[in-house]
Amino acid sequence: DGGITQSPKYLFRKEGQNVTLSCEQNLNHDAMYWYRQDPGQGLRLIYYSQIVNDFQKGDIAEGYSVSREKKESFPLTVTSAQKNPTAFYLCASSISSGRTELYEQYFGPGTRLTVT
Amino acid sequence: KQEVTQIPAALSVPEGENLVLNCSFTDSAIYNLQWFRQDPGKGLTSLLLIQSSQREQTSGRLNASLDKSSGRSTLYIAASQPGDSATYLCAVRQSGYSTLTFGKGTMLLVSP
Repeated sequence: DGGITQSPKYLFRKEGQNVTLSCEQNLNHDAMYWYRQDPGQGLRLIYYSQIVNDFQKGDIAEGYSVSREKKESFPLTVTSAQKNPTAFYLCASSISSGRTELYEQYFGPGTRLTVT
Repeated sequence: KQEVTQIPAALSVPEGENLVLNCSFTDSAIYNLQWFRQDPGKGLTSLLLIQSSQREQTSGRLNASLDKSSGRSTLYIAASQPGDSATYLCAVRQSGYSTLTFGKGTMLLVSP
């Protein structure tokens, strides 16, 4: 089955530690995205990548880093510089070129990160 | 900057009712609009995608309409069921290479 996997589902870390969230897709999508979701805030874009080896900052990139070495993978690192890292993190993907009706965005199941 | 608003923030209805969820956006020059469903603690599931040239899309009991000129979209759910209980989000894409801008969602509760 094609889809997006995120692991782990729950992640606990101590304050001051960096942590990496995994996102893998087998949909052959060019574009991948990371969002953060907080209660009452909606989804906010952290980083996105339209193609391998290229990525752009979203609205709230401070304290986060990403890499895109493979088309299928887009890991997100939450660094110790992120002041409020506890949140629900969602990864998504879509086709980024060609027929616009294929720009539908698909989401993974999410990772809930708790930092204490 | 594009802003997306969803009203109401929460809605509670008895089973069997037809209902409408609203989504408005400030910049009418959109590329497409997508409706999602999110169950508690889960990721988003795409329900319907409407291209800017389309007026509506239907999938089963769901019908989404788009009025670009007025900056509005509605999601109509027919004969609601308890299994429809979830948060519904709409999101707009400004261009083919842009990202989605999300509303904060409408939390729907359908009671048996």
